[in-house]
Amino acid sequence: DAGVIQSPRHEVTEMGQEVTLRCKPISGHDYLFWYRQTMMRGLELLIYFNNNVPIDDSGMPEDRFSAKMPNASFSTLKIQPSEPRDSAVYFCASRLGQGGQPQHFGDGTRLSIL
Amino acid sequence: AQTVTQSQPEMSVQEAETVTLSCTYDTSESDYYLFWYKQPPSRQMILVIRQEAYKQQNATENRFSVNFQKAAKSFSLKISDSQLGDAAMYFCAYRRTNDKIIFGKGTRLHILP
Repeated sequence: DAGVIQSPRHEVTEMGQEVTLRCKPISGHDYLFWYRQTMMRGLELLIYFNNNVPIDDSGMPEDRFSAKMPNASFSTLKIQPSEPRDSAVYFCASRLGQGGQPQHFGDGTRLSIL
Repeated sequence: AQTVTQSQPEMSVQEAETVTLSCTYDTSESDYYLFWYKQPPSRQMILVIRQEAYKQQNATENRFSVNFQKAAKSFSLKISDSQLGDAAMYFCAYRRTNDKIIFGKGTRLHILP
């Protein structure tokens, strides 16, 4: 059974460029989460969706960040324009909402903005 | 607001020994779930163990067990017979039903050969 799939695995780009991170959750999961991890700030929740609807985007740093979930099997996180301080590892996770089901994480995207 | 506190930023243990990682949380809820996740250098986030608050029995997964003290709001992780592969960052996490998970800041565990 496939886990959460993120792409790309690594992304290196110059500041000012648009960056798009992609996530395919585990089939049947109705919650999807985007996290950012840095040494300084640790693991931060950016936004999460339930049944494709954004529930809490209070962690999105600023308007340069946007996330969409057009259907149950796909989500994107966009940064436009990108800045060096956006460099981090970005994780996507999904979960089945019932009871105490744990979150399952993708392998993350390591983003470097030069 | 719910919070999760891991008071030990780093710990070390000799290979084959036992180590306990501490976690406390703050909540006014009675029904919730607790988790320990492991993040090795490969950066994957791996579920180690989980506990339902309504269960009094402490969860166990092979060499990993928890000491869940609901009244004290404490959820420590015990690793027995530590192995080199256990070296990782360990995150304690709390979640209410149908809500987002809240992570602690993590404890980095070093295994000494």
